[in-house]
Amino acid sequence: AQSVTQLDSHVSVSEGTPVLLRCNYSSSYSPSLFWYVQHPNKGLQLLLKYTSAATLVKGINGFEAEFKKSETSFHLTKPSAHMSDAAEYFCGLGDMRFGAGTRLTVKP
Amino acid sequence: DGGITQSPKYLFRKEGQNVTLSCEQNLNHDAMYWYRQDPGQGLRLIYYSQIVNDFQKGDIAEGYSVSREKKESFPLTVTSAQKNPTAFYLCASSKREVDTQYFGPGTRLTVL
Repeated sequence: AQSVTQLDSHVSVSEGTPVLLRCNYSSSYSPSLFWYVQHPNKGLQLLLKYTSAATLVKGINGFEAEFKKSETSFHLTKPSAHMSDAAEYFCGLGDMRFGAGTRLTVKP
Repeated sequence: DGGITQSPKYLFRKEGQNVTLSCEQNLNHDAMYWYRQDPGQGLRLIYYSQIVNDFQKGDIAEGYSVSREKKESFPLTVTSAQKNPTAFYLCASSKREVDTQYFGPGTRLTVL
């Protein structure tokens, strides 16, 4: 069965420090994977997607994610957090499944 | 501007009433989706449609119904059979299945 697991429900970082949001997946075939961001009471916006072209995927706002098949992971990273990055982040699988979300807090 | 619109933004319903949430897209996308979002549970798929006049149940379809009479429109009806309908509802579309989804701004439904 296909599934997505976000390993942290809440991550807190200081402004200017790195961000790591973790996502593991389970899929019986080569997956399409996505990261979306949601600000309060808004819809989701695509940050980046993996579709087997390159394992390191660069997205908007300085985010990137690395697809690691051996670890069945697709973790989202950013070198330096900004206050505007505070939001809810969702990892998604191409068959319309999403993780439970990770709330990112950025402290000044 | 191309995009997805959902209306209304906030909706209040009395117990026992059916209510319909609107979703319209002008992106010329074939596929459309409805998700329910509850705190700590992420997004759960209610229904999806890959083509006009066809739709499939998602993981939590009980108590909901949809129609897809036009490519641009995918309304969701929350029926009185849905036991716990208070939630944030998100509509999305994509060019085809297994593709980037574009989301509307959502409708927050509260049952009084």
